[in-house]
Amino acid sequence: DGGITQSPKYLFRKEGQNVTLSCEQNLNHDAMYWYRQDPGQGLRLIYYSQIVNDFQKGDIAEGYSVSREKKESFPLTVTSAQKNPTAFYLCASSIDRKQPSTGELFFGEGSRLTVL
Amino acid sequence: QKEVEQNSGPLSVPEGAIASLNCTYSDRVSQSFFWYRQYSGKSPELIMSIYSNGDKEDGRFTAQLNKASQYVSLLIRDSQPSDSATYLCAVEVEYGNKLVFGAGTILRVKS
Repeated sequence: DGGITQSPKYLFRKEGQNVTLSCEQNLNHDAMYWYRQDPGQGLRLIYYSQIVNDFQKGDIAEGYSVSREKKESFPLTVTSAQKNPTAFYLCASSIDRKQPSTGELFFGEGSRLTVL
Repeated sequence: QKEVEQNSGPLSVPEGAIASLNCTYSDRVSQSFFWYRQYSGKSPELIMSIYSNGDKEDGRFTAQLNKASQYVSLLIRDSQPSDSATYLCAVEVEYGNKLVFGAGTILRVKS
C-alpha cells in the first residue's frame, strides 16, 4: 500500500538535545512538507520541498532543519535552538502540479514530541 | 490579520441535522480550497476540494465557495456522531506552493 510513514510516533527529548523525525513516502510525490500542530492553532508550515536537493522555509522554520537527498525521504531535525518544541509534527506529500494545482496533501500519522 | 480564519467552536448539532462550517481567507488570488477532517490524535484527511465559485456536492458534504466575498463553507447533511471531529479549512497560497490552514472548527454531533 502506498502512503507516508513517520517515525517515531512518540518521542521524548531532554532540553538541549537535537532530535530527528523521519518521514518516508512511496507515493512517488514530488513535494513534501512538514507541519507543526499545537492545540487550538491548526497546522503551521515549517519547511517544504518541491524537488530533491531543494527546500524552502515555511512560516516557522527557526530552530528546525531539513534535508531532501532522496525523493522519498524528508527528515526533520528539531534543534536545541527551537525554544518550544513540544508539539504534534505532521509530514505530508503532494503531487506537485501547478496547472491545475490539486493541492491535496497526504499526511503521515504524525510524531508527538515532548520535551522533558 | 490571519490568512485563514475559522470559528473554533465547538459547534454542537443534533444527529440528523445540518452542520454548517465557515471559513474566510485573506489572499484574493487563491484559487484552491480544501476541507480536511481530523479526529482527535489523528492526522488530517481530505474530504472536499473546491476551485470554482458555487457549490460542490459529494454525498452528505457540500462545499460552497464565494471568491468575491473570500468565503468558503462546508455543509454536512444528516450529521452523524461519527462526524464529530475538527474540520480544517485550507487555502492554497503562492500559487501551487503551499497550503495555509485555519485553526479548525470542532464539531460535535449529539445522538
